[in-house]
Amino acid sequence: AQSVTQLDSQVPVFEEAPVELRCNYSSSVSVYLFWYVQYPNQGLQLLLKYLSGSTLVESINGFEAEFNKSQTSFHLRKPSVHISDTAEYFCAVSSSGNTGKLIFGQGTTLQVKP
Amino acid sequence: ETGVTQSPTHLIKTRGQQVTLRCSSQSGHNTVSWYQQALGQGPQFIFQYYREEENGRGNFPPRFSGLQFPNYSSELNVNALELDDSALYLCASSSQGRGNIQYFGAGTRLSVL
Repeated sequence: AQSVTQLDSQVPVFEEAPVELRCNYSSSVSVYLFWYVQYPNQGLQLLLKYLSGSTLVESINGFEAEFNKSQTSFHLRKPSVHISDTAEYFCAVSSSGNTGKLIFGQGTTLQVKP
Repeated sequence: ETGVTQSPTHLIKTRGQQVTLRCSSQSGHNTVSWYQQALGQGPQFIFQYYREEENGRGNFPPRFSGLQFPNYSSELNVNALELDDSALYLCASSSQGRGNIQYFGAGTRLSVL
């Protein structure tokens, strides 16, 4: 069975400060890893994904995440956050080769303060 | 290219009633997955449909059922509604292949009174 643990339920940070949202997963098979963002009263938007290849993946809006197989982690980072980054962030895992069923973490609320 | 659309956006039902939620998949996608997101929680996988057949199911009772149509749109049906069924229901579409990357709609907020 697979599971995802997001280690922080809330992360308050000041605008222009760096941030890291932590995600650890558990799986006995190879995985694909994802970060989704959810703004209030909206669905989930894909932020970035790791399928294979380079362990560092980047999004178009400045976020990056690094796949660390030995530590079974996929932490999300941004060097300088904006007020508009305030949202709920979900880490998710799926097994390579199956239906693509996503297992989500509980979510981390990023609160960017002016 | 159209994204994933869900209807209705909000719904209020009473305990014991039945509800049908609808989802239109993104253009070019042949697979639809449904998730339930309770307040303050991450989404939970309900089931997936591929080529009009159920292609995987999560830990949900049989009163949660679905359909996929030839145009790849989908319905989620829930019978005998319970208070705990109150949640945001999310539909995601994808294409079978590497990563099976899922793209989500805005969801249907169901309140059961």
